[in-house]
Amino acid sequence: RKEVEQDPGPFNVPEGATVAFNCTYSNSASQSFFWYRQDCRKEPKLLMSVYSSGNEDGRFTAQLNRASQYISLLIRDSKLSDSATYLCVVNKGTDSWGKLQFGAGTQVVVTP
Amino acid sequence: NAGVTQTPKFRVLKTGQSMTLLCAQDMNHEYMYWYRQDPGMGLRLIHYSVGEGTTAKGEVPDGYNVSRLKKQNFLLGLESAAPSQTSVYFCASSHGPGSAYEQYFGPGTRLTVT
Repeated sequence: RKEVEQDPGPFNVPEGATVAFNCTYSNSASQSFFWYRQDCRKEPKLLMSVYSSGNEDGRFTAQLNRASQYISLLIRDSKLSDSATYLCVVNKGTDSWGKLQFGAGTQVVVTP
Repeated sequence: NAGVTQTPKFRVLKTGQSMTLLCAQDMNHEYMYWYRQDPGMGLRLIHYSVGEGTTAKGEVPDGYNVSRLKKQNFLLGLESAAPSQTSVYFCASSHGPGSAYEQYFGPGTRLTVT
């Protein structure tokens, strides 16, 4: 079983619509959770951290469910520029040096 | 600021050849990382460094070596390339304790080993 699992998609979303997708993680000791965004043939970039109480950043909302060990990302009012692969990222342990476990990504395609 | 840069952007090697990938960052970051990304798989950590002169193995270190002689540079070496090392290699850096999870990535090096 992969440590971080994501639905690869693609999620085809009409412009202006809402899309949501989840990611599950296997390490119950994980403390930190993130969403990174990766455009086609580009490098990953941090989109947002995921906090226990859930958090929003503009049109993006992230949620954490520790009991079921999943995190989610919701994108409202989708823009064409939101087309990308979204990587679920979880820290692997309790050390502080940034050992991250990356999911393989969920592809989102926003169509006009 | 250029951020994180990687050299070269593309490379084709024959089995058994060697090469070095160079990563440079101008953000005065303490931590640096080398990842590989393969289709259908998440980024996997090859080696990392928590400071100048220090390196450590990640998840998939076999066949690779690294050096961090200067704080701003992190080199990844392939001594004897194999087709299984065909991949996209990303370098990343982060500030250090307390913000190690916000990693800044370079544009990647696409390596093909024939």
